[in-house]
Amino acid sequence: DVKVTQSSRYLVKRTGEKVFLECVQDMDHENMFWYRQDPGLGLRLIYFSYDVKMKEKGDIPEGYSVSREKKERFSLILESASTNQTSMYLCASSLRARYGYTFGSGTRLTVV
Amino acid sequence: GENVEQHPSTLSVQEGDSAVIKCTYSDSASNYFPWYKQELGKGPQLIIDIRSNVGEKKDQRIAVTLNKTAKHFSLHITETQPEDSAVYFCAALDDYKLSFGAGTTVTVRA
Repeated sequence: DVKVTQSSRYLVKRTGEKVFLECVQDMDHENMFWYRQDPGLGLRLIYFSYDVKMKEKGDIPEGYSVSREKKERFSLILESASTNQTSMYLCASSLRARYGYTFGSGTRLTVV
Repeated sequence: GENVEQHPSTLSVQEGDSAVIKCTYSDSASNYFPWYKQELGKGPQLIIDIRSNVGEKKDQRIAVTLNKTAKHFSLHITETQPEDSAVYFCAALDDYKLSFGAGTTVTVRA
């Protein structure tokens, strides 16, 4: 069964900390994505990557960066965490363009 | 970019009745429309999808219809069961990216 694994289910960080959210997929997918999910707003795209070392901004990239050094791993970085980044973060991957996504279980991040 | 609107935001149905969720999209270039179900504490899971060259698709109790001219698509769940209670998201794909609706919380009353 195909899998997208997010390293943490729950995370509590302090304001100003640098935060790393890790995502690994075992399906040899080309594309990987980071979304954040907030009540009433659905899923909003932060960044995506269509190849190793490639990245593209999504709809809400401010305050975030990403890294994709290997095909199977896509990291989301909060350079200086703020309370408005408290959210559920979802990683997803897809085989290639115009294919559906497989999601991880999510990381619920609380910034205090 | 693509804008997807989803209605209603909440839906309560009696067990055995049907549930319908509707979505509209803005970008006529979008060509793939998946539906995801998210249960509590889990990531969204694909339940059904439709591509732009098809008008309707069915899988057991769930079906999706697409009207490209009007730029809207709908999810239909028949004979609802308690395990259908979840949050449902529609989405539209343009090239690499999926744009999602805000979600519908479906509650099936026993």
